Amino acid sequence: NAGVTQTPKFQVLKTGQSMTLQCAQDMNHNSMYWYRQDPGMGLRLIYYSASEGTTDKGEVPNGYNVSRLNKREFSLRLESAAPSQTSVYFCASSDFRGSNEQFFGPGTRLTVL
Amino acid sequence: RKEVEQDPGPFNVPEGATVAFNCTYSNSASQSFFWYRQDCRKEPKLLMSVYSSGNEDGRFTAQLNRASQYISLLIRDSKLSDSATYLCVVNMRSFGYALNFGKGTSLLVTP
Repeated sequence: NAGVTQTPKFQVLKTGQSMTLQCAQDMNHNSMYWYRQDPGMGLRLIYYSASEGTTDKGEVPNGYNVSRLNKREFSLRLESAAPSQTSVYFCASSDFRGSNEQFFGPGTRLTVL
Repeated sequence: RKEVEQDPGPFNVPEGATVAFNCTYSNSASQSFFWYRQDCRKEPKLLMSVYSSGNEDGRFTAQLNRASQYISLLIRDSKLSDSATYLCVVNMRSFGYALNFGKGTSLLVTP
């Protein structure tokens, strides 16, 4: 039982390049989330998927797109990377809404030059 | 806007000390409350949920005051291994119950 996995762990991009961050969970959770964490800002929600087949914008969605490929997988795409997107990206999943714990992946550390 | 506010610290305490962290939240509609722990460059992990009646888990005690919109965490008999950043978290009903994080309070427990 791996929990939540993310690939890659580290990535360096040049401005304007694109990439997809992968996330998968093996806990049969309905809801999945993408957050970014920046120094002094805390974690902020980028996009979420309340259930398979649905995705919605979070607090800071600009410059990102997502795909809920199936119940297990939720990917985050940067179409044209910008230095402002340098951050640590965490994927998370949870079972039911509200009071249930969210489980986080180990994160992807992205630098955009 | 930042809906969850915490003192960033750092709190430097000796082993065995008792330390308390406080947090306020602005959205009175928040329904679920948590403390997460984050070690350096690692993912956040749930430390404990916080209930209105207050709850305890070993050396850790959490309190919630809905009227004041205030959450606290008390750590007794601090251990070196308690050194970490403690994140105050409430859920965001408007975003599929995603979590709204405070910026975290840094704790360093010294020998």
